[in-house]
Amino acid sequence: DAKTTQPTSMDCAEGRAANLPCNHSTISGNEYVYWYRQIHSQGPQYIIHGLKNNETNEMASLIITEDRKSSTLILPHATLRDTAVYYCIVRVDTGRRALTFGSGTRLQVQP
Amino acid sequence: EAGVAQSPRYKIIEKRQSVAFWCNPISGHATLYWYQQILGQGPKLLIQFQNNGVVDDSQLPKDRFSAERLKGVDSTLKIQPAKLEDSAVYLCASSSGQGYNSPLHFGNGTRLTVT
Repeated sequence: DAKTTQPTSMDCAEGRAANLPCNHSTISGNEYVYWYRQIHSQGPQYIIHGLKNNETNEMASLIITEDRKSSTLILPHATLRDTAVYYCIVRVDTGRRALTFGSGTRLQVQP
Repeated sequence: EAGVAQSPRYKIIEKRQSVAFWCNPISGHATLYWYQQILGQGPKLLIQFQNNGVVDDSQLPKDRFSAERLKGVDSTLKIQPAKLEDSAVYLCASSSGQGYNSPLHFGNGTRLTVT
């Protein structure tokens, strides 16, 4: 699976959009981009995933560049409960592959 | 639906003792994973099961760690004997394993402290 690069930490004001970047310049054509987050003392939680089109669900939006070498997770109106470590993961999606986690981005939402 | 259940939530043992963790995945999920998460790091895969068979155990320290999923449902992970560096959170996850819409669902983990 391709390697990803994320900033170590970011801050965001409550109520504002949080934009979390991820670089995956070695991504292959059959690899999906996944985002998970981990709130303190909990297990990782699935947020969203995509291949090449932008995706949106009730939690977030995923914007993937046309060359697929980077992506951005957008939390449209961040709340204090969104404070967590956010992991960007690239993997071939056979439905059975495990996830390989990096160190993620620690997002602190400020009141 | 009920989530992934893990127990115990916390465990403190002395080095060289043994310990076991239990996981009950989401009903119907064929794929089960055990991860180890050391403080400040992302989770690291230890072992992956598909039903009751092992798919990947390449990162499991087999001299001290063992895992089983005898009936293809719940699973146990054992450490014997424990070392100080085994202090970590042990996470269990499951997925249906069917097609591309099969995200992993994680339990809240067991926090192990080895003294």
